[in-house]
Amino acid sequence: SAVISQKPSRDICQRGTSLTIQCQVDSQVTMMFWYRQQPGQSLTLIATANQGSEATYESGFVIDKFPISRPNLTFSTLTVSNMSPEDSSIYLCSVEVGGTNEKLFFGSGTQLSVL
Amino acid sequence: SQQGEEDPQALSIQEGENATMNCSYKTSINNLQWYRQNSGRGLVHLILIRSNEREKHSGRLRVTLDTSKKSSSLLITASRAADTASYFCATPTSGNTPLVFGKGTRLSVIA
Repeated sequence: SAVISQKPSRDICQRGTSLTIQCQVDSQVTMMFWYRQQPGQSLTLIATANQGSEATYESGFVIDKFPISRPNLTFSTLTVSNMSPEDSSIYLCSVEVGGTNEKLFFGSGTQLSVL
Repeated sequence: SQQGEEDPQALSIQEGENATMNCSYKTSINNLQWYRQNSGRGLVHLILIRSNEREKHSGRLRVTLDTSKKSSSLLITASRAADTASYFCATPTSGNTPLVFGKGTRLSVIA
């Protein structure tokens, strides 16, 4: 299992600013995933973050908008850059344990509102 | 791209009743997972069913999988108010690729 601490839990930001979300895991994990959940919608994968390499972004998401760091096997950050109201969402980090993709553990999410 | 589609989108039942949610998916899978989300927070893994299984139980949960129809169902028996949440199915599209989540069913259990 894995326990994930994600912060901040919520924030209200001004248009044009950036917010960095942190995700700390209580054990070493190879793959970490960042998801976005727009209001009333399902989860959409933003990127996969592997330690020691650049993140792999899904279609529709770019590094300039969502830069990700993965400095070690227990920590990652996602930055939402140059925010607009359309970025208002819940952002979730998750990890898999065991490398089988058979169970994801999630952080508690960051609820972002952009004014 | 969306892999799973749950129905209904929303379900409201009385405490003690059973709740059934369905999920359809598009591509071949090696497993299908169900997750629960309370009030827009982090998701919690409920149960996994493999492609060679047809039914699986865990407490008050029963999951079925029909690979010929590319569909799965989640049954919660004797529901409680605390079961009120959104429920999502998720599948890895192949191998170890990241999970793709369905649109979810919002379940309300009224005491």
